[in-house]
Amino acid sequence: EVQLVESGGGLVKPGGSLRLSCAASGFLFDDSPMVWVRRAPGKGLEWVSSINSISSYLWYAESVRGRFTISRDNSKNSLFLHMDSLRADDSGVYYCARVTSSAEIDLWGQGTPVTVSS
Amino acid sequence: QLVLTQSPSASASLGTSVRLTCTLSIGHSRNAIAWHQLRPDRAPRFLMKLKGDGSHTKGDGIPDRFSGSSSGAERYLTISSLQSEDEADYFCQTYDTAFYWVFGGGTKLTVL
Repeated sequence: EVQLVESGGGLVKPGGSLRLSCAASGFLFDDSPMVWVRRAPGKGLEWVSSINSISSYLWYAESVRGRFTISRDNSKNSLFLHMDSLRADDSGVYYCARVTSSAEIDLWGQGTPVTVSS
Repeated sequence: QLVLTQSPSASASLGTSVRLTCTLSIGHSRNAIAWHQLRPDRAPRFLMKLKGDGSHTKGDGIPDRFSGSSSGAERYLTISSLQSEDEADYFCQTYDTAFYWVFGGGTKLTVL
């Protein structure tokens, strides 16, 4: 089955860190650029970060640059998002997603919730 | 600035049709977009890629009731024979080398 499964979300205090993981299956993960997208409570979708298939290009939204690090392990079909210096406005559901060669998202995970609160 | 504009809400009755609109900002009217569906407690679902000429490629398993079309800077998602399960948030998304991945604000569709 073609799917993405996120894990690692939870409750963390402001200033804390969290590492999200995304396990891919059913498709050629090492051929696929990947993205993280989040949705804050009551808000729309926000692109967070992207990585190409061989980790040679990394992109970050201005709101997370310098605090978040995207990475992948193609040998384990896994995508990661390391989040430091977390703030309340980083709270939301974080989705990993696959990107096609023409840059549209065509597969989503179910999401993992992150709550930043004291 | 690349902006995708969507109406915050829409509603239509069971069994009828509804057309949702995503408008690309000036200078980006040729961009292709993707439509996505978000329902509570479910993984978001890719519905289709939609080009400026109206041609579209749907995701796996997307019913024929979902179709796309374009006119100038506007990209449309039409859902016919509305079912209760179509009640969801619908987002458009595009990509630009300067602005990267951009989402519209989303339209909350209510099926009456």
